[in-house]
Amino acid sequence: GENVEQHPSTLSVQEGDSAVIKCTYSDSASNYFPWYKQELGKRPQLIIDIRSNVGEKKDQRIAVTLNKTAKHFSLHITETQPEDSAVYFCAASLTGTASKLTFGTGTRLQVTL
Amino acid sequence: EAQVTQNPRYLITVTGKKLTVTCSQNMNHEYMSWYRQDPGLGLRQIYYSMNVEVTDKGDVPEGYKVSRKEKRNFPLILESPSPNQTSLYFCASSLKHGLNTEAFFGQGTRLTVV
Repeated sequence: GENVEQHPSTLSVQEGDSAVIKCTYSDSASNYFPWYKQELGKRPQLIIDIRSNVGEKKDQRIAVTLNKTAKHFSLHITETQPEDSAVYFCAASLTGTASKLTFGTGTRLQVTL
Repeated sequence: EAQVTQNPRYLITVTGKKLTVTCSQNMNHEYMSWYRQDPGLGLRQIYYSMNVEVTDKGDVPEGYKVSRKEKRNFPLILESPSPNQTSLYFCASSLKHGLNTEAFFGQGTRLTVV
């Protein structure tokens, strides 16, 4: 089955700096890659996703890039703010939908003042 | 309000005592899933369902059962819970078709098996 590795496990940045989280996947047939944000004690919530026919997608301060050849995708957060502090999970799907997601192990992002 | 509702939110039980965690969604989603979240392991899928009466194993199905008799409900059953099933459980639902296939998660159920 699919395997997703995520790095780093923890990331500390100063407010205003950029943060980058990287994931690699094992199955080249995966075609849907969402990113979820989980604040402390809350449920995971989708922040951005990308499909395999697109190389990059941006939504305000958040962007995701996908390199199908290398089988890796990354989350980029610019101009970080304290409210960006959370755990971020990448995921991959073979079905093109969220029916069966394989998640990475998560990155705890701390944005310091 | 569109939502996925799990009950209970917290549960402490003893080894071997059967329990059910309920999950209900009001968005008419075809797909529903159960995940468990453990420190350092992320979220791992237990079971998923692509429609009524259609269920399939995820990555960690041992010790769990599910049923999908109605589209809106997808209960998770632990017939004989063991301490290694102590975890945070999330139910999720999503659409089958369309551009927005986002998985919506319930608020989570923290289960402790002693």
